[in-house]
Amino acid sequence: DQQVKQNSPSLSVQEGRISILNCDYTNSMFDYFLWYKKYPAEGPTFLISISSIKDKNEDGRFTVFLNKSAKHLSLHIVPSQPGDSAVYFCAASARDFGNEKLTFGTGTRLTIIP
Amino acid sequence: DTAVSQTPKYLVTQMGNDKSIKCEQNLGHDTMYWYKQDSKKFLKIMFSYNNKELIINETVPNRFSPKSPDKAHLNLHINSLELGDSAVYFCASSPTSGSGHEQFFGPGTRLTVL
Repeated sequence: DQQVKQNSPSLSVQEGRISILNCDYTNSMFDYFLWYKKYPAEGPTFLISISSIKDKNEDGRFTVFLNKSAKHLSLHIVPSQPGDSAVYFCAASARDFGNEKLTFGTGTRLTIIP
Repeated sequence: DTAVSQTPKYLVTQMGNDKSIKCEQNLGHDTMYWYKQDSKKFLKIMFSYNNKELIINETVPNRFSPKSPDKAHLNLHINSLELGDSAVYFCASSPTSGSGHEQFFGPGTRLTVL
C-alpha cells in the first residue's frame, strides 16, 4: 500500500534547464508535503515543504506546486546545476494518533548533465 | 559539530547475532526516529520517540527494540538478526512532533546480515 509514489525512478536534465520532479499521493489526510535531497552515503536533507492549504511555495531556485484535487505535487528546480544531481524523495505528513508521521516515496535520481 | 550522528556506519554480522546501532543528536530536538531503507529504496518509519517516550511503533518485529536513555539519544537494538534485516537504517530528529516540521537525518548505518 504505497501512499506516496514517485513514478520516475530517474531523470536527466541539461545544466541550466528546468528540472521537474513529480509525486502522487493517495491519502487525503496528508497535511504537509516535503521534499528531501539525498547524496550517496549520506542521510536525506530537507529541501522545501508546503502546507496542504497552499498551492505553491518558493525558495530560491526551488518551487513546489501542490494540486490537491489531483493529489499531485511537483518540485521545480531552475536553473538546474551540477550540484543538484542527487536522489530526491517526496514525503507526506499525517497525524498518527496525534503524532506526526512521514511517508516517503521511493525517490527519483536526478542527473544534471553539464 | 555533526547534528545527527550514527555509529557504526557499516555493520556486517552473521545471522542470529544481536547488534546495536547508536544515534545521537545535538540539536536539542524533542523527537527522534528510526527509519529503514530496504533494497527497493523504500524509506519507512520504524519508531518515533518524543522526550524519551515511544509515540510511534510501526509493525516491526519485536526483535527490534529502541532505547532512549535521554532526549539526545535513541539507540536501536536488534536481536536474532535475519537476512531480511539487511538494509540501511537512518536515525532522524525533529524539534517537535508537529505537522510539517522537517526532520534531520543521520548519515545512515548499512547493516549486512550474512
